[in-house]
Amino acid sequence: NTKITQSPRYLILGRANKSLECEQHLGHNAMYWYKQSAEKPPELMFLYNLKQLIRNETVPSRFIPECPDSSKLLLHISAVDPEDSAVYFCASSHGQGYGERLFFGHGTKLSVL
Amino acid sequence: AQKVTQTQTSISVMEKTTVTMDCVYETQDSSYFLFWYKQTASGEIVFLIRQDSYKKENATVGHYSLNFQKPKSSIGLIITATQIEDSAVYFCAMREGEAQGTGSKLSFGKGAKLTVSP
Repeated sequence: NTKITQSPRYLILGRANKSLECEQHLGHNAMYWYKQSAEKPPELMFLYNLKQLIRNETVPSRFIPECPDSSKLLLHISAVDPEDSAVYFCASSHGQGYGERLFFGHGTKLSVL
Repeated sequence: AQKVTQTQTSISVMEKTTVTMDCVYETQDSSYFLFWYKQTASGEIVFLIRQDSYKKENATVGHYSLNFQKPKSSIGLIITATQIEDSAVYFCAMREGEAQGTGSKLSFGKGAKLTVSP
């Protein structure tokens, strides 16, 4: 799947700050960050539509999203906690209809030391 | 609040057989959308099929079909002629009722791992 690219693919952090990046080449208006912990389903963290933050689920304040344009999404992480170890998926959709499907990137696996 | 429940955690079948995965949901919305997604061993999450609540016909895409039983709030996924590459984790999901044009929040079930053996 090269339509949604995420970087980096793997990230090992101590207490350092880092950013996850996502870019979609599908012309979609909505972009999402999902967190998937081991053996669990994906859980929505943030949802942007047309660069506006629509949903901001209850996530720790150390996670800060940024949507510089409708095709790019960033997730800034500071002072990570071991509970943050998970795969972080970027996704996108048209943002227009009720039955729209989501397209997922390959994910960034975050390991907290 | 919406809720999606998959009671099966692991299913094993032989290749070329048919398998059904169960999913029940709870919602207060009069109109809603149900989805099945597949997560491969590499971690990739892929959309499979969708059912619109206002449609009586069961959705079908390739060798995937749905058994939509609205009175029972049930949306089963049926995979016919299973193949080795169908081995994956399958998630049932439902879109929460949102205004149009605001993206989609999906509520996912816990997933069911399917193993297809030769």
